[in-house]
Formats: sequence, C-alpha cells, structure tokens
Amino acid sequence: AQSVTQLGSHVSVSEGALVLLRCNYSSSVPPYLFWYVQYPNQGLQLLLKYTTGATLVKGINGFEAEFKKSETSFHLTKPSAHMSDAAEYFCAVSVGFQKLVFGTGTRLLVSP
Amino acid sequence: DSGVTQTPKHLITATGQRVTLRCSPRSGDLSVYWYQQSLDQGLQFLIQYYNGEERAKGNILERFSAQQFPDLHSELNLSSLELGDSALYFCASSVALAPYEQYFGPGTRLTVT
Repeated sequence: AQSVTQLGSHVSVSEGALVLLRCNYSSSVPPYLFWYVQYPNQGLQLLLKYTTGATLVKGINGFEAEFKKSETSFHLTKPSAHMSDAAEYFCAVSVGFQKLVFGTGTRLLVSP
Repeated sequence: DSGVTQTPKHLITATGQRVTLRCSPRSGDLSVYWYQQSLDQGLQFLIQYYNGEERAKGNILERFSAQQFPDLHSELNLSSLELGDSALYFCASSVALAPYEQYFGPGTRLTVT
C-alpha cells in the first residue's frame, strides 16, 4: 500500500536559512507525489507536484522538491526561509487515482 | 482562494445530533473528495465522488454518508454524533480522476459537545 513518512514533526530555522522538510514514500507503482501547505485556520494549498518527467519540481513561493527513486524520497527545500513560510507542510501520495494519503505533517517554525 | 467553497465554516452541536456539511467544487471540476483532519488521526480520506457517482471509500464510518448532486455540489452527512467526531472536515475537488491535483476548501470545523 502506498504511504508517506515525514521525518520530524517540527523543524525550526532562522529567517534566511535553508529549509529542508523530509518525505519518504512507499509505493509498489510509480508514485504521484504532492506537497501541500496549511496556514493556521486555513485549508490546504498545493505547493508542487510530481507525476512524471523532470525529477526536480519547482513550486510556488520559491519551494522545490526532488524525486529520488533510489532513495524513495521527495524532500521539500527552499534556499532562504521567510517568516511567512511558517506553517504546516504535508507530503502526500496519490493512491489508485482516487485519494491522497497524507503524511503526519511537519510544522515549520521560522525565527527572526 | 482555491475556488472550493464549504459551508458552514463552524458548527457546534451536541452528541447524538445530525449535521450536513456542504461543498461546492471549483467550476469545471467533476471529482469531489472529503477528508477529516483531527489531532489524533491526522488527515484521513473519507470518500470520493466523480460526476455524481461514488468512486472510492476510505475510513468513513457507517454513521457518515455523502452524495454528489447533478450540479456537482456535495454534502457530507454526519449522524449520531460522538465527541470523537469533532474535527476539521475538508472538501477537495479536481478536474478528473487523477493524477490531477486536488484543490482544498477552507474546511468546516465541527465541535461536538
């Protein structure tokens, strides 16, 4: 069964520092992978997705993720954190074209 | 703004009661998904409809049901409510079945007292 694991329920960075949020997936078929962000009291917003093709995917707000099949990973990065990036981030895998299975989420804290 | 609307935004009700949550998908989207977000269970898929037909079921309790109407809006009905049903309920929509991205509504926060 497809699943995702997000390492670290909380990640703290300083403003301007590199953001790295980890996601590993488990899938018996080529996966479709997504990163979503959830700001307080809001719904989920799509940051980026990987379906096929280029393994480095660029998303909104300066985020990108690289699909690494050999490592079964889809880590999310941003070169320089902003205060506005503080939110909860969810990695998800599409299962059977019918639903998303989400990781447990990583809360990103950005300090001045 | 994702284009997906959900009403009501907040709902407070008592145990044993029944509520209906409503979702309007983005214009042109045929597929609607319902998810439940709670502190202990995280984000869990409940059910999916595509063009009026149920396509997939997840961890949806028998006390819960949903439907998608001809105008493509969807309703999630929760009955015999228990304290543990308190959660955020999200609706999402997508153009077709997959692997198209899903766009999420702002959610309905249900509090059962």
